[in-house]
Amino acid sequence: DAKTTQPTSMDCAEGRAANLPCNHSTISGNEYVYWYRQIHSQGPQYIIHGLKNNETNEMASLIITEDRKSSTLILPHATLRDTAVYYCIVRVSSNTGKLIFGQGTTLQVKP
Amino acid sequence: NAGVMQNPRHLVRRRGQEARLRCSPMKGHSHVYWYRQLPEEGLKFMVYLQKENIIDESGMPKERFSAEFPKEGPSILRIQQVVRGDSAAYFCASSPQFRETQYFGPGTRLLVL
Repeated sequence: DAKTTQPTSMDCAEGRAANLPCNHSTISGNEYVYWYRQIHSQGPQYIIHGLKNNETNEMASLIITEDRKSSTLILPHATLRDTAVYYCIVRVSSNTGKLIFGQGTTLQVKP
Repeated sequence: NAGVMQNPRHLVRRRGQEARLRCSPMKGHSHVYWYRQLPEEGLKFMVYLQKENIIDESGMPKERFSAEFPKEGPSILRIQQVVRGDSAAYFCASSPQFRETQYFGPGTRLLVL
């Protein structure tokens, strides 16, 4: 499985953009990058995913580098409710689709 | 459109009892995944099921754990003769098709006394 590397923790000021990086240097051409978050101990919440192109939805933007070896999740205007653990996951195409969670990045949004 | 539903949300069992966790996928979803999150640890895949079939159980403990997803009704994760080490949050996710986005339920917190 393609391994992902994320910083353990990050801080962000409320109202500012939060940029969460992820390295996935061993990603294969047909593997997607998924982002989920887990607030407190709630169920993981799907945020966004992408293959090659940058993606945007109502929650966030996903920027994938041209070589696909890294990506950045952008929360444009972070709020206190965005405080959570953010998981970057490379979805392995050859297996049954199970998600392999790493340790993620703990994002603390501060007032 | 209701999301993934899990019940009970909290379950307390004594050692040696059985625990049954239920998961109702989102409407139109026929693929169910179970994950476990031990205290202070990350989520770990357990099993992937489609209706009436177990597709991948590579993450299931070899003993005492079983899962099913019958033609009618919710998916069931069953833990027999629970031990304290089974205390964890158990999350279910569903997707409409194979390899499509998984959406998670709120989880069941199992506490074994």
